[in-house]
Amino acid sequence: AQRVTQPEKLLSVFKGAPVELKCNYSYSGSPELFWYVQYSRQRLQLLLRHISRESIKGFTADLNKGETSFHLKKPFAQEEDSAMYYCALSRYNTDKLIFGTGTRLQVFP
Amino acid sequence: GAVVSQHPSRVICKSGTSVKIECRSLDFQATTMFWYRQFPKQSLMLMATSNEGSKATYEQGVEKDKFLINHASLTLSTLTVTSAHPEDSSFYICSARPWANYGYTFGSGTRLTVV
Repeated sequence: AQRVTQPEKLLSVFKGAPVELKCNYSYSGSPELFWYVQYSRQRLQLLLRHISRESIKGFTADLNKGETSFHLKKPFAQEEDSAMYYCALSRYNTDKLIFGTGTRLQVFP
Repeated sequence: GAVVSQHPSRVICKSGTSVKIECRSLDFQATTMFWYRQFPKQSLMLMATSNEGSKATYEQGVEKDKFLINHASLTLSTLTVTSAHPEDSSFYICSARPWANYGYTFGSGTRLTVV
C-alpha cells in the first residue's frame, strides 16, 4: 500500500532562511505527488504538483524516484509562509489522495 | 477555478441523532468525491470514496453503517453521521478532482460537535 512520510512535525526558521520540508513516499508504481498548504482557519490549498514542475510562492519540489522523495524547498522563507504543509500521493489521475502527517512551518521575524 | 462547497461549516448535535453534511461541486461535475476526517492538529484521514450512482468505497476501519454516503448526482455527495456519539466529533472535509490534469480541490470543512 502507498504511504507518505513527513518526518518533521514542526519546522521553525527565521525570516529569510532557507526552508526544506521533507517528504518520502512508498509506492511500487508511478505516483503522482502533491504539496498542499493549510493556513490558519482556511481550507487546504494546492501548492504544487510534481507533474507541473512549477514554482508557486517561491516554493519548488522535485520528485526523486531513486530516493522516493518529494521535498519542498524555498530559498528565503517569509512570515506569511507560516502554515501547515501536507505532502500527498495519488496512484492514478482520479484515485484517492493519501496524506502525510503534515509539517507545521513557523517563520519568525 | 474549480470550487467545492461544503455545508454546514459547523454543527452541534445531541448524542444519538444523525447529521447530514453536503458537498457540492460548483463549476464541474464530479463522478468521484472523497471524504476525510481530521482530528485536531492531525493529518487528514481518508474515510471513503463516494461514487456517483453506485456504492461508496470505505477505507479499512470505517463503519459503513455509521457514516452513510450518498452520491446521487454529479454535483452532490452527502455524508450522514448516524446515531452520533461524542467520539464522532471531528472536522470532516470533502474533496474532488475536477479534471484529470488538475489537483484535488477541497471543501472548507464541517466541524461536528456531538454533545
